Amino acid sequence: EVQLVQSGAEVKKPGESLKISCKGSGYSFTSYWIGWVRQMPGKGLEWMGIIYPGDSDTRYSPSFQGQVTISADKSISTAYLQWSSLKASDTAMYYCARHVGLGWFDPWGQGTLVTVSS
Amino acid sequence: EIVLTQSPGTLSLSPGERATLSCRASQSVSSSYLAWYQQKPGQAPRLLIYGASSRATGIPDRFSGSGSGTDFTLTISRLEPEDFAVYYCQQYGSSPTFGQGTKVEIK
Repeated sequence: EVQLVQSGAEVKKPGESLKISCKGSGYSFTSYWIGWVRQMPGKGLEWMGIIYPGDSDTRYSPSFQGQVTISADKSISTAYLQWSSLKASDTAMYYCARHVGLGWFDPWGQGTLVTVSS
Repeated sequence: EIVLTQSPGTLSLSPGERATLSCRASQSVSSSYLAWYQQKPGQAPRLLIYGASSRATGIPDRFSGSGSGTDFTLTISRLEPEDFAVYYCQQYGSSPTFGQGTKVEIK
């Protein structure tokens, strides 16, 4: 079974750094792009960027370029999303998802809730 | 960036009724690059339709997708209790974008 399992919920203060993870299993991790999607409280889905774990080729949405860093460690089949200095507006649920075929997302991880509050 | 506009924002229907959800793109989208997702409260989105009209594995045949160019439709032929949820369309061209979602609620 193809699965993406994300790290647990985080509560952070503004200005702190954070790295959340997404571990893939049940398929060749290096052969598929992995994407990250933000969902702010009560809002819709926003595509943040994608990474190809095979060679770490990374693409960002213009809205998130420079705001986050996407990386991957293919030796442990894990992708990451990180912030160097969190803001309250980063409070959201973050999902990872595998890109399949021409680029639809399937499956999705269970989500990581990030709360940034002083 | 391609903007996707979904309508209506909320659809109030009864079980057994037909649901028709619209997704309109700001510029032409190749049919091969349009997907639909379902999201229930507290859950991650789930792929329903890809390539505008192909059902994902395990998706019941009451779900169907159609359309081309700038106008796409997701149809649920007869609503089951488990179908009440939020539905998103997505285009996956060079910079993927999602619609803002349509909530299908019980009337």
